[in-house]
Amino acid sequence: GQQVMQIPQYQHVQEGEDFTTYCNSSTTLSNIQWYKQRPGGHPVFLIQLVKSGEVKKQKRLTFQFGEAKKNSSLHITATQTTDVGTYFCAGPTSGTYKYIFGTGTRLKVLA
Amino acid sequence: NAGVTQTPKFRILKIGQSMTLQCAQDMNHNYMYWYRQDPGMGLKLIYYSVGAGITDKGEVPNGYNVSRSTTEDFPLRLELAAPSQTSVYFCASIRGLRGSLSGANVLTFGAGSRLTVL
Repeated sequence: GQQVMQIPQYQHVQEGEDFTTYCNSSTTLSNIQWYKQRPGGHPVFLIQLVKSGEVKKQKRLTFQFGEAKKNSSLHITATQTTDVGTYFCAGPTSGTYKYIFGTGTRLKVLA
Repeated sequence: NAGVTQTPKFRILKIGQSMTLQCAQDMNHNYMYWYRQDPGMGLKLIYYSVGAGITDKGEVPNGYNVSRSTTEDFPLRLELAAPSQTSVYFCASIRGLRGSLSGANVLTFGAGSRLTVL
């Protein structure tokens, strides 16, 4: 079945440092979505990428969708303590609405 | 709009007991999902539904049952609770527009139901 892996599993950074998480799917995805989950909370949608090679930016966050539509990355520039949480990628196999989540990357930002 | 509402928020079960986790959405979304999240882990898809009367298995369906008699409701049933089912359960929904490039396919989550089986 479809598997979506993320690396790293954990990342501790000093405030102001950059952070990147990578997402790799075993199957081609129709689109890729990124979610953020704060400790004790539920996942909250950040962004959706649809096109092969697409790059989107949200302030300090940059999202990329791979050319083969099987991998993606999230880069945060100059992390802040408000960036703390777990970042998940998620996507459906082409032609379905079966949304599978990645394993997640837990980010801790040290002030 | 309340969005996605889950009840109960917390529940403790004894091994072998049964219970139903309720999920309701008032956004007229077509697709609904149940995920479980074990402590410190990611979300695993249990079951999903593409419309009333249609359900399908996800990654970890064993030990659970679902039904979708209405567009709004998608209850998750645990028949014989086991300690391995201790987890936080999230219900989610999307409108589900085919080929849409808009935010219509974004998952909206409920606040979660924390279940402990002792």
